Amino acid sequence: GESVGLHLPTLSVQEGDNSIINCAYSNSASDYFIWYKQESGKGPQFIIDIRSNMDKRQGQRVTVLLNKTVKHLSLQIAATQPGDSAVYFCAENMGFGNEKLTFGTGTRLTIIP
Amino acid sequence: GAGVSQSPSNKVTEKGKDVELRCDPISGHTALYWYRQSLGQGLEFLIYFQGNSAPDKSGLPSDRFSAERTGGSVSTLTIQRTQQEDSAVYLCASSSRDWPYEQYFGPGTRLTVT
Repeated sequence: GESVGLHLPTLSVQEGDNSIINCAYSNSASDYFIWYKQESGKGPQFIIDIRSNMDKRQGQRVTVLLNKTVKHLSLQIAATQPGDSAVYFCAENMGFGNEKLTFGTGTRLTIIP
Repeated sequence: GAGVSQSPSNKVTEKGKDVELRCDPISGHTALYWYRQSLGQGLEFLIYFQGNSAPDKSGLPSDRFSAERTGGSVSTLTIQRTQQEDSAVYLCASSSRDWPYEQYFGPGTRLTVT
């Protein structure tokens, strides 16, 4: 079946540098994409989302890019801080509504002081 | 305001026993979701409620798993005759009908079947 997958399971970044976390999806019908951050022992926390009719969306220190041509999603975190260390999941939703999310395996981001 | 809460936070049970996991969604959220997360893995969808009805139960791994939601609020996930492979963190999320339909997650229940 189709699924959301991630290119890299782990990523280490020097504090203050920018980080990029990538995600590949295979379902061209997916309409809505979300990035979640999960710290140890906690549930996932919403970071940012993007609809399929957009290719870029910015938040506070985060930017999500969507390339529908190659079915690729990325999360950019600017000026990383120790608190950014966590597992990051991308998720896709095929419905414009309260539908289930399909999650990728996740990327563990470690910020090196 | 109060977020999604789950209880218990940890549950250790013997193989073959039944367990009940509880989720209290954010007040006013109409949708409620159950996910399972094995160690080092992503989130596996189990079931989704809209109000008290479950339009999508496709993720329940076997007939040992069931869930209900009453009063459009609290939900209970029941696992009968637990097996060791049921050991995981069970996460609950809720969302409203307003865009962006953001799902708010609870802290999860860590289930260990011995």
